[in-house]
Amino acid sequence: EDQVTQSPEALRLQEGESSSLNCSYTVSGLRGLFWYRQDPGKGPEFLFTLYSAGEEKEKERLKATLTKKESFLHITAPKPEDSATYLCAAPTGNQFYFGTGTSLTVIP
Amino acid sequence: NAGVTQTPKFQVLKTGQSMTLQCAQDMNHNSMYWYRQDPGMGLRLIYYSASEGTTDKGEVPNGYNVSRLNKREFSLRLESAAPSQTSVYFCASSDIYHYGYTFGSGTRLTVV
Repeated sequence: EDQVTQSPEALRLQEGESSSLNCSYTVSGLRGLFWYRQDPGKGPEFLFTLYSAGEEKEKERLKATLTKKESFLHITAPKPEDSATYLCAAPTGNQFYFGTGTSLTVIP
Repeated sequence: NAGVTQTPKFQVLKTGQSMTLQCAQDMNHNSMYWYRQDPGMGLRLIYYSASEGTTDKGEVPNGYNVSRLNKREFSLRLESAAPSQTSVYFCASSDIYHYGYTFGSGTRLTVV
């Protein structure tokens, strides 16, 4: 069964405390692994797409990496404005599966 | 610079009532999508339109219908609302099929 699973569900960090969010997937014929950021009351905002194992992409304090079974979103020295829910997603066939997200809170 | 615009932002319906959620994008995107987001369930695809003139079912299409009115507009209709349809609904569009969605700000629907 195609599935995208994220962990942890919630993460609280002190400002400057680096950490990683995990997205594991069991999707046949992966055509990309996507990361989105969602702020409360808003729609998700596209961050990255990764296509092949070993690929990395960076944006400010965020770096996304991809292996054959997992993707990680590394957050380096986070700031309070990085607080949001981070979603990963993968397309397969005519479907596009989203994980349930990791809610990140960065405490000043 | 509007992106994807959804209306209304909030709606309360009684069981059995009907309504249409409107979505319009101004980015000349080919593909449009309707998702619902529920706590603990994540975003689930209801219907999508890969290109103007086509629509297809997603993961949870029961109880919904869609119309791709033109390249810009994609509406979602609930013919007879049920409490199980209480959710936040998001419209999205993309230039390339299932790539780099741009989402609207959502419609929070409550069915009582």
